[in-house]
Amino acid sequence: QAVLTQPSSLSASPGASASLTCTLRSGINVGTYRIYWYQQKPGSPPQYLLRYKSDSDKQQGSGVPSRFSGFKDASANAGILLISGLQSEDEADYYCMIWHSSAWVFGGGTKLTVL
Amino acid sequence: EVQLVESGGGLVQPGGSLRLSCAASGFTFSTYWMSWVRQAPGKGLEWVANIKQDGSEKYYVDSVKGRFTISRDNAKNSLYLQMNSLRAEDTAVYYCTRTPDGADYWGQGTLVTVSS
Repeated sequence: QAVLTQPSSLSASPGASASLTCTLRSGINVGTYRIYWYQQKPGSPPQYLLRYKSDSDKQQGSGVPSRFSGFKDASANAGILLISGLQSEDEADYYCMIWHSSAWVFGGGTKLTVL
Repeated sequence: EVQLVESGGGLVQPGGSLRLSCAASGFTFSTYWMSWVRQAPGKGLEWVANIKQDGSEKYYVDSVKGRFTISRDNAKNSLYLQMNSLRAEDTAVYYCTRTPDGADYWGQGTLVTVSS
C-alpha cells in the first residue's frame, strides 16, 4: 500500500469548490505530519502552494491566493487541499508530499479538471 | 529572485553514467537543504535524494541507493547528482529543488533518457 494515496482525477465547475484528498497509509498518523501541496501545469515544473499541519502550523506559498487552503480530516487520516472559487487556470495536477522515514514521499497526484 | 538552473541531461545507454548540475542564485545557497526530484514521462513526482547544508547528511530513495550520489559545492553555489549504472527506469526529467521545509523553489528540469 502506498504511503500517500490521491484520487487520480477530479472534476468541478468554475466558481465551485474542490477538495483534493491525500490519504495516509494505515498506521501513519496524519496528525503528526506537515503536508505539502504542489500544483503542476503541463510543461512546467511544480509550484509550491502551501504547507499544513494544524491551524497554528501552516504556511502559504509566496503569491499563492488565499482561496487555496489546507486542512486535515483526522477521521479519514487525510490531508485536504481546498480550492474555493475555482477558475479555469486551476486546471492542473496536484501533488501532496510528506517527510516520512528520512525520505520525501509524494502522492500519485490528482488531475483537476475545471469544466 | 531565486533561480535554479539544471544542466547535464541527455541520452545515455543503459549502464552508463551522467552528472547533473544545478546552478543556484538569488539566495544564500549554503544555508539550505537541497534535493533532486524526478518525473518520468507522463508520471508523477518522485523524490530522489537530498543533502544538508554542509553536505554532512544525505538521503536517497531506495531505488537509487548505491548508484546515485548527491553532492554540493557551496563556494560555487552548485548542486550535483552523479548517476551511475543507469537503467531505462531512470528516464525522467530531473528537477533541482530548494528544500528547507518542503520544496519551495524548483528549477525547470533537465531530461535524462536512458536507452540503447
